[in-house]
Amino acid sequence: SQQGEEDPQALSIQEGENATMNCSYKTSINNLQWYRQNSGRGLVHLILIRSNEREKHSGRLRVTLDTSKKSSSLLITASRAADTASYFCATANSNTGNQFYFGTGTSLTVIP
Amino acid sequence: DTEVTQTPKHLVMGMTNKKSLKCEQHMGHRAMYWYKQKAKKPPELMFVYSYEKLSINESVPSRFSPECPNSSLLNLHLHALQPEDSALYLCASSRQGPRDRVTLSSEAFFGQGTRLTVV
Repeated sequence: SQQGEEDPQALSIQEGENATMNCSYKTSINNLQWYRQNSGRGLVHLILIRSNEREKHSGRLRVTLDTSKKSSSLLITASRAADTASYFCATANSNTGNQFYFGTGTSLTVIP
Repeated sequence: DTEVTQTPKHLVMGMTNKKSLKCEQHMGHRAMYWYKQKAKKPPELMFVYSYEKLSINESVPSRFSPECPNSSLLNLHLHALQPEDSALYLCASSRQGPRDRVTLSSEAFFGQGTRLTVV
């Protein structure tokens, strides 16, 4: 990918369980963003975390950022079938600004 | 209006055809982007326009030609494409673009994409 890696590549869980996906990136960043994509559709922004933040919450979403390890994680709690989608991280860095390079993505399936 | 509108939704074209993809936003965003996405892959950045000027071209073949007629519109002109160019083409916009102060950076808003098939 143009940016980095995400793992796992695919994740299948039961409804009600928590889903955790990870993103690693290569360069120094100013912020990291998570997006969701339903099959064959456009991406929807979920949450943005700045490089000076370690954790951020939005509804059932919790994002952490470890700049020393160049990694981030997205936790979706109490998953629902409607959460089935692909999830991508994207970064912006000091040198290049907002160019939104995406990681390889995690395909999440929530089984009802 | 927080939408990015792309037309057409689907396009089938021959290798000798010339066609254009269109993208429109009315959020006052100053940066607009074209991405190409193959099945089960992440979106790959193609072009970025910042303040109506081409800011970034990620070594895209010349058979893809972007155009930004004004701050609300972005086109992608297609000519002499190959079957391997078949993909989902996504347009996006953001309040700030590359080279803007990243501390003020914001999210990207995406259109629903154009599914392009080259035959």
